[in-house]
Amino acid sequence: SAVISQKPSRDICQRGTSLTIQCQVDSQVTMMFWYRQQPGQSLTLIATANQGSEATYESGFVIDKFPISRPNLTFSTLTVSNMSPEDSSIYLCSVGGQVSLDNGEQYFGPGTRLTVT
Amino acid sequence: AQSVSQHNHHVILSEAASLELGCNYSYGGTVNLFWYVQYPGQHLQLLLKYFSGDPLVKGIKGFEAEFIKSKFSFNLRKPSVQWSDTAEYFCAVNEDGSGYSTLTFGKGTMLLVSP
Repeated sequence: SAVISQKPSRDICQRGTSLTIQCQVDSQVTMMFWYRQQPGQSLTLIATANQGSEATYESGFVIDKFPISRPNLTFSTLTVSNMSPEDSSIYLCSVGGQVSLDNGEQYFGPGTRLTVT
Repeated sequence: AQSVSQHNHHVILSEAASLELGCNYSYGGTVNLFWYVQYPGQHLQLLLKYFSGDPLVKGIKGFEAEFIKSKFSFNLRKPSVQWSDTAEYFCAVNEDGSGYSTLTFGKGTMLLVSP
């Protein structure tokens, strides 16, 4: 398993601003994932971040809105740009997903609770 | 595309009651199945998983789940719940195979156990 930390744990932001969320892992991992969990909804995958290459975004999510950095094997950031109240959500970082290793099990960070006013 | 449905959004039980949370998935291929749990104020963590072999899998804290392939189901059970089982439970599935596979989650079931 892996120990994952996220910063900030929560924030309240104004409409139109941007917030960068950091994710730190205690070991080197190939894949990192970013999810969004909106109130009353499931976890929805935003993108997959592979070190040394551009992130792969899921349908409905674009790089201009959610730019991701993956500078090394233990760290990633997700920026929520030009925020609106609809972006209010919990944002989760996870690692794992290698099917041959743990059948694709993922380990999750504590999440960042974002409120946009 | 895969999808996961959890039948109950909220479940309220008294301590010692039996629990069964439904989960169905839609995918034609071979899958790995997971139940994750999120206790209040804590990280999402793995409760149990199925990938092959005995379709009845046992997890932490007395939970078990049964994979019924013909029904595309992976229901979570516990014979006698405790107040400390109050949490949100998520069923998830990924595609078995090589490489990396992303998880598809159900909407979650909030379980409240009253003492």
